[in-house]
Amino acid sequence: KNQVEQSPQSLIILEGKNCTLQCNYTVSPFSNLRWYKQDTGRGPVSLTIMTFSENTKSNGRYTATLDADTKQSSLHITASQLSDSASYICVVSAPPEGSSNTGKLIFGQGTTLQVKP
Amino acid sequence: DAGVTQSPTHLIKTRGQQVTLRCSPISGHKSVSWYQQVLGQGPQFIFQYYEKEERGRGNFPDRFSARQFPNYSSELNVNALLLGDSALYLCASSFPSGLSYGEQFFGPGTRLTVL
Repeated sequence: KNQVEQSPQSLIILEGKNCTLQCNYTVSPFSNLRWYKQDTGRGPVSLTIMTFSENTKSNGRYTATLDADTKQSSLHITASQLSDSASYICVVSAPPEGSSNTGKLIFGQGTTLQVKP
Repeated sequence: DAGVTQSPTHLIKTRGQQVTLRCSPISGHKSVSWYQQVLGQGPQFIFQYYEKEERGRGNFPDRFSARQFPNYSSELNVNALLLGDSALYLCASSFPSGLSYGEQFFGPGTRLTVL
């Protein structure tokens, strides 16, 4: 069964500190892995997209890593800010099955990050 | 540039009623996907439409249906509402490229409450 598991479920850190969020997946075959940031009551916003051949990708203070062999990804946030408080969702894309569809996205349950002053 | 727009923002219905949610994709995007997000969980895939045809369907009952119009906007319909249908309904648009789905851009969602 295709699954995406994230840890921890929730995290509280002090402003200015770094943190790392984890994502393990069993999706196979695999097209790409995405990290999204979702503020409460809003739609997710894309942070990074990585294909299986990419090991790392950065977007400002956000750096995502991918190990396609162990099926693990991490999102590292550097020098956290209060505005980083949100849910971070790991999403794995499975390729199309035949020509009638464009594949599917499998979402993790998210990690809720709270940054305190 | 306008992003993905959804209407209404909030909606309150009672059990057994029917609801229609609307989504307008980013200009030039031909693919629209619908997701249900229950509080505290990640989004669950409901439907994907591309060029006005259904291209994917998640594990949702037949009470859920959708369609895409010639201008690529989309509607999600839910009949015979249940309390468990209360959720944030997200619409995402993409311009499929070499990557499956391409990059998805999400709208702000419609918060549906069923009483």
